[in-house]
Amino acid sequence: QKEVEQDPGPLSVPEGAIVSLNCTYSNSAFQYFMWYRQYSRKGPELLMYTYSSGNKEDGRFTAQVDKSSKYISLFIRDSQPSDSATYLCAMAGAGTGAQKLVFGQGTRLTINP
Amino acid sequence: DVKVTQSSRYLVKRTGEKVFLECVQDMDHENMFWYRQDPGLGLRLIYFSYDVKMKEKGDIPEGYSVSREKKERFSLILESASTNQTSMYLCASTLNYEQFFGPGTRLTVL
Repeated sequence: QKEVEQDPGPLSVPEGAIVSLNCTYSNSAFQYFMWYRQYSRKGPELLMYTYSSGNKEDGRFTAQVDKSSKYISLFIRDSQPSDSATYLCAMAGAGTGAQKLVFGQGTRLTINP
Repeated sequence: DVKVTQSSRYLVKRTGEKVFLECVQDMDHENMFWYRQDPGLGLRLIYFSYDVKMKEKGDIPEGYSVSREKKERFSLILESASTNQTSMYLCASTLNYEQFFGPGTRLTVL
């Protein structure tokens, strides 16, 4: 079993829809949770960063962490064609020396105009 | 803004050649990473470094080596390139668990 599981998709939704992206994990030591967005032929860029449990909102994006269920989510409201990208979840445990992240496989998302 | 640069965006090499991929970051980060990214396999860690001249193997180090002579520069070396090393290579540096990625090098080995 992989430490982090993410549905690779692809996921295709109409513009304006609410998108839900999810990851599950098995390591209860994970404390740092991140979502990265990667456009085609580019490097990933950090979208959301959460420490421990709870919700975090930034504009149209909301990140949720449920440590009891070992489940994290990214919600995109009022989705736009410019949100079309691959979304990767990533996580790490506290005290990992070099701050190594464990990544999900990535979900490819397309928003159709 | 943190900037991570990689020496080439696209590279074509022949089987058996020695290949150098260079990565430079401008924020004085101690930790640097090399990944490869392949369809269906996600990001896989090749090597990482937590200080100058210090390195550790990641999940798939076979066929690769690294060099970190200066804090800002982390090089990935393919000693004898093979066709199964055709991939997108991504470099990153880290501050407080946030990884900053370079634009990637798409390497094709013929």
